[in-house]
Amino acid sequence: DSGVTQTPKHLITATGQRVTLRCSPRSGDLSVYWYQQSLDQGLQFLIHYYNGEERAKGNILERFSAQQFPDLHSELNLSSLELGDSALYFCASSVGHEGNTIYFGEGSWLTVV
Amino acid sequence: GNSVTQMEGPVTLSEEAFLTINCTYTATGYPSLFWYVQYPGEGLQLLLKATKADDKGSNKGFEATYRKETTSFHLEKGSVQVSDSAVYFCALSDRAGTASKLTFGTGTRLQVTL
Repeated sequence: DSGVTQTPKHLITATGQRVTLRCSPRSGDLSVYWYQQSLDQGLQFLIHYYNGEERAKGNILERFSAQQFPDLHSELNLSSLELGDSALYFCASSVGHEGNTIYFGEGSWLTVV
Repeated sequence: GNSVTQMEGPVTLSEEAFLTINCTYTATGYPSLFWYVQYPGEGLQLLLKATKADDKGSNKGFEATYRKETTSFHLEKGSVQVSDSAVYFCALSDRAGTASKLTFGTGTRLQVTL
């Protein structure tokens, strides 16, 4: 158990819908990262927040957005969902803004039908 | 941009066999290098890391050496067990000494049989 908690574990939704994935980082960690793991794209970095502020952006679509709240939990919002958004979404956390070791949660499986 | 190339799987080995999973990378600057493992139905776990050239990362019998001259970070284990069956990902960071903004390889599935 890495200490990073993600909910929900599984989610099935229809095209065009919007979903929110939630992540609670390890106790004491200020950084939260989001990654997407899909069959065709592999594992891709989406976005990094540190203590509530966006630090780095990767291959995140405009239909997707994220935020980190004062209690340090983070949410990834996915809207206007398409079939190709079906993937495993990982959250990870680290202590600093450039953590040398990041810890991954078990992921949220999103299936778009 | 940064990229990581891993040998394609699946790799099937008998228990106690020697394992090598090749990983080469392309990066600007001096990234840190990582191996992550994903067991069935679980998230990614850090297996080992190396933060500068010639560093050797090791954990649970696995080893990998950061070779700048060949831009490689091959994973090795002398004697695999059935419990090592998993998907292994090579990754690099965008800056030395950090694990920020990781670029992952496509993963190599390892299956170990009795």
